[in-house]
Amino acid sequence: QKEVEQNSGPLSVPEGAIASLNCTYSDRVSQSFFWYRQYSGKSPELIMSIYSNGDKEDGRFTAQLNKASQYVSLLIRDSQPSDSATYLCAVKGSGGYQKVTFGIGTKLQVIP
Amino acid sequence: GAVVSQHPSRVICKSGTSVKIECRSLDFQATTMFWYRQFPKQSLMLMATSNEGSKATYEQGVEKDKFLINHASLTLSTLTVTSAHPEDSSFYICSASPLTATNTEAFFGQGTRLTVV
Repeated sequence: QKEVEQNSGPLSVPEGAIASLNCTYSDRVSQSFFWYRQYSGKSPELIMSIYSNGDKEDGRFTAQLNKASQYVSLLIRDSQPSDSATYLCAVKGSGGYQKVTFGIGTKLQVIP
Repeated sequence: GAVVSQHPSRVICKSGTSVKIECRSLDFQATTMFWYRQFPKQSLMLMATSNEGSKATYEQGVEKDKFLINHASLTLSTLTVTSAHPEDSSFYICSASPLTATNTEAFFGQGTRLTVV
């Protein structure tokens, strides 16, 4: 079983719709959860972090965490063509120097 | 957010030569930095954990004699790909987190596109 699992996609949504990206993880002691966006040929950039159960909203982005189900999701409202990228789910264990483990990433395509 | 600078962004080298990639944390100190490799259409794979003042920790399957890591200061880690071969061609990315809290995201360098010909 992979440590962090994501559907590689592509996930296609029309412009203005809500894009829903999902991620599950295997290590129950994981403490920190992140969503990164990666454009082709570029380094990942952090868009959301979440540490406790529930929802966290930042602009058009909402991260959702359910530790009991070991599930993290990212919702993108009012999707724009510029949101088209690969979204990486990342999980970190407890301790400041724990490595970050990434999922394979979900490719999102927002159709104008 | 914190800034991590990686250099060079792109390098082409001949097979058998060595290439050094630098990773610097510009506005924070990092006792630990991470080196990842990403092949086309694949996820980031952790290669090694770079520890300031001590030996790096390599992931299973990564040759420590081929990928030399030096972390000489709290703001600089280097990865040297020795005797490079075409199969080493990949996107190499470093990341670092500020020293402090547990819940700290990783910040990434710009990445280095290595092409071995």
